[in-house]
Amino acid sequence: QKEVEQDPGPLSVPEGAIVSLNCTYSNSAFQYFMWYRQYSRKGPELLMYTYSSGNKEDGRFTAQVDKSSKYISLFIRDSQPSDSATYLCAMGTTDSWGKFQFGAGTQVVVTP
Amino acid sequence: DTGVSQNPRHKITKRGQNVTFRCDPISEHNRLYWYRQTLGQGPEFLTYFQNEAQLEKSRLLSDRFSAERPKGSFSTLEIQRTEQGDSAMYLCASSPGTGVAEAFFGQGTRLTVV
Repeated sequence: QKEVEQDPGPLSVPEGAIVSLNCTYSNSAFQYFMWYRQYSRKGPELLMYTYSSGNKEDGRFTAQVDKSSKYISLFIRDSQPSDSATYLCAMGTTDSWGKFQFGAGTQVVVTP
Repeated sequence: DTGVSQNPRHKITKRGQNVTFRCDPISEHNRLYWYRQTLGQGPEFLTYFQNEAQLEKSRLLSDRFSAERPKGSFSTLEIQRTEQGDSAMYLCASSPGTGVAEAFFGQGTRLTVV
C-alpha cells in the first residue's frame, strides 16, 4: 500500500464550479503538506504549502489538513478551463526536509 | 527567468550510453532535489543536497546513477549504461533551506532510452 493515496480521476467539472480534490496518507509523521499543479509535459508548479492541521486560503485556492484523519483537501473556486491539469499532493516530515512523498495525481478537466 | 532551470529539456539516447543532466536552482536556495516521474505517476524522490553535501539517497538511485553539486550551486545527474527502464522525466527542485519545505520545480528533462 502506498503511503499517499490520491484518486487518479479524471474529474470533470463545468466552468465556474468548485473543484474538490483530496489525498489520504498513512504515515502520521507527515507534518507539512503541499499541492502542485502540473500541465502535460511540464514540471509541477507549487500552489499551496501548509504546515500542520488547519485551513489556508490563497485567492481561489483553499487547502485543508486534518491530521487526525490523515486527510488533506484542495478546493478550487470559480474553476476555469485553464485549471485543467493534474493536481499532485505531496507531504513530508521535518526530519527529512528534502524527501517528499507524492500522490499519483488527479487529472482535472474544466469544461467551458 | 529566476526559476529552476534544467538542461537539456529532452534527451534521446541508445541503451548502454551515458547521459548527464544539469540543474541550476533558484539563486541562494540551499537545498536541491532530484526526482523521477513516469507516466501517470507522481514524482519519486531520488536524492537531495544541502549546499554541496548529498544528505540522502533513495534506493531507486542504483550504482549507475550519480549526482553531484560542486560548490553548492548547480547540480548534475549522470546515468551510466542507460536501460530502457530509465526512460522518465527527471525533475529538479530547490528550496531555501532548513525549516522551509516549499520546493520549486524546474520543467524537467525527458529521457527516452531506445
